[in-house]
Amino acid sequence: AQKITQTQPGMFVQEKEAVTLDCTYDTSDPSYGLFWYKQPSSGEMIFLIYQGSYDQQNATEGRYSLNFQKARKSANLVISASQLGDSAMYFCAMREGGAGGYNKLIFGAGTRLAVHP
Amino acid sequence: NAGVTQTPKFQVLKTGQSMTLQCAQDMNHNSMYWYRQDPGMGLRLIYYSASEGTTDKGEVPNGYNVSRLNKREFSLRLESAAPSQTSVYFCASSGTSNTQYFGPGTRLTVL
Repeated sequence: AQKITQTQPGMFVQEKEAVTLDCTYDTSDPSYGLFWYKQPSSGEMIFLIYQGSYDQQNATEGRYSLNFQKARKSANLVISASQLGDSAMYFCAMREGGAGGYNKLIFGAGTRLAVHP
Repeated sequence: NAGVTQTPKFQVLKTGQSMTLQCAQDMNHNSMYWYRQDPGMGLRLIYYSASEGTTDKGEVPNGYNVSRLNKREFSLRLESAAPSQTSVYFCASSGTSNTQYFGPGTRLTVL
């Protein structure tokens, strides 16, 4: 069965430093996708970054990068130069099945990040 | 361009009451989804609609029904609410890219 594991219930980081949020996954499907979403205290789900299983390079979006290690089945989120506004819950999610069209997502339990000044 | 909208934002029900959560998207997406988020957990898929005219069960469909009214709208109905359905409900949509875009959520309390 497909599964997403986030082992860090909470993390804290000093402002302007980098932080890595861990995510491991389990799937037998050779085609899959991995997502990171941010949920601030206001509650909305904000898409951050996506990595496809066949993508050769690690995904990057501004200060966010995804450290994709396929053999280890890990997809860690790296946030560089942390800002106070990065304080939020972060969810890792995996797409079942092939790319395009509808995608059923499986979510991890999340990691709460606190950025300290 | 509002993205995904949900109504209501908050709702309190008594056990046994029924209600419908509304969701609409203006991004011309084919696929729409309903998730629930319980404290300390990630989102779990209730139902989804791959395209207009089709709906399918997700991970936790019991106690819910859905209607894909048209391409824009996807509603979630609780026929007889139970305290176990107290949760935050999110609607999402996706197009030809891989990304799902979420609405702001509905916080539902069943007493």
